[in-house]
Amino acid sequence: EAQVTQNPRYLITVTGKKLTVTCSQNMNHEYMSWYRQDPGLGLRQIYYSMNVEVTDKGDVPEGYKVSRKEKRNFPLILESPSPNQTSLYFCASSPAGTGFGGATDTQYFGPGTRLTVL
Amino acid sequence: QQQVKQSPQSLIVQKGGIPIINCAYENTAFDYFPWYQQFPGKGPALLIAIRPDVSEKKEGRFTISFNKSAKQFSLHIMDSQPGDSATYFCAASIGRYKLSFGAGTTVTVRA
Repeated sequence: EAQVTQNPRYLITVTGKKLTVTCSQNMNHEYMSWYRQDPGLGLRQIYYSMNVEVTDKGDVPEGYKVSRKEKRNFPLILESPSPNQTSLYFCASSPAGTGFGGATDTQYFGPGTRLTVL
Repeated sequence: QQQVKQSPQSLIVQKGGIPIINCAYENTAFDYFPWYQQFPGKGPALLIAIRPDVSEKKEGRFTISFNKSAKQFSLHIMDSQPGDSATYFCAASIGRYKLSFGAGTTVTVRA
């Protein structure tokens, strides 16, 4: 089954304790992206990756890191989480070469990770 | 700073009514305008999208109207059904990779 998986689905942590949210897709998609969703703000793009070893900042990259060492995986790293990073996080992927590719193509979203930083 | 302003925050219609969601933007470099639908507990899913050289696009009961000079675009849901109850997000993209979303509109369709 074609899907985007995220782990963990729920996480409660404390300020300053490094954490990683994993994202994996099995569709051989080139483009992957991370978003956070907050009430009243909608979704905001954190980072995106056009392909392996190619990443760039979205609208709200501060406090986050990403890496793309393999095509299927795109982990989101919070090196020193703070309470303002409490949010619902979504990973998404899309193919290149169909439509206009990247974010302008149909993105497949993961189920979300609800993070609480105390 | 929200690059795409979306209104209203929520709206309630009766079955068969036409909810209308409006979005506005300032950056004329945006060149792709998608709408996403999100059900509770799920990730967003692409619903319909339009490019600025087109003034209207229809897919099933969903229609996007686009006014380039006013820098506004809107989503109409024709003959709305209770199953359309969801949160709808407009978005805008510059180039192929960056995507900015509106704040979302929660639509409730009453039977």
